[in-house]
Amino acid sequence: GAVVSQHPSRVICKSGTSVKIECRSLDFQATTMFWYRQFPKKSLMLMATSNEGSKATYEQGVEKDKFLINHASLTLSTLTVTSAHPEDSSFYICSAYLTSGRTYNEQFFGPGTRLTVL
Amino acid sequence: KNQVEQSPQSLIILEGKNCTLQCNYTVSPFSNLRWYKQDTGRGPVSLTIMTFSENTKSNGRYTATLDADTKQSSLHITASQLSDSASYICVVSSKSNDYKLSFGAGTTVTVRA
Repeated sequence: GAVVSQHPSRVICKSGTSVKIECRSLDFQATTMFWYRQFPKKSLMLMATSNEGSKATYEQGVEKDKFLINHASLTLSTLTVTSAHPEDSSFYICSAYLTSGRTYNEQFFGPGTRLTVL
Repeated sequence: KNQVEQSPQSLIILEGKNCTLQCNYTVSPFSNLRWYKQDTGRGPVSLTIMTFSENTKSNGRYTATLDADTKQSSLHITASQLSDSASYICVVSSKSNDYKLSFGAGTTVTVRA
């Protein structure tokens, strides 16, 4: 149980285009999901917290107009990288927060999306 | 300064050998500590999770220890296999905000035949 999927797994786009990444919790409902960014040989950096039915909370230094987050249902959050540029190329990972009926709350991570902007 | 420090940064071991990875943290108040395995180009997968009262937990050939007094944890890999080659990340959460995770930079383990 507690499986999180991401789509697409890999995307290559031209500079200036927008790219949408989906994050789904497959077997549980998640009021809260998270979006991370990871550069090569670095650890995950939290970009934003996505809350179902409300606005996302962005970390300091993350442009909310650049990285649009929508959490329209309890199993789906989307991250749209608008007007992508080569410096946006990175590995994007989402996680879903599982809280109900557990000793401790836990984030389950998706497999990641590799974005390459040419 | 990062609140979670891991060592070594990387290591190479021969198949069948054991190794131990270290994690020191300053996160307070402490809630729990997790070890994740991240294969190249994949998301992190949980290996173990320990709360304050737990000082050891095993998952197959992986054994994690926790000393909450000294704020140290270790991950021991027994009888390494080629598939153990990955990055191992120590992650700590705080009681004051348990969904805001503090990530270590990871230890890259390479297992060679």
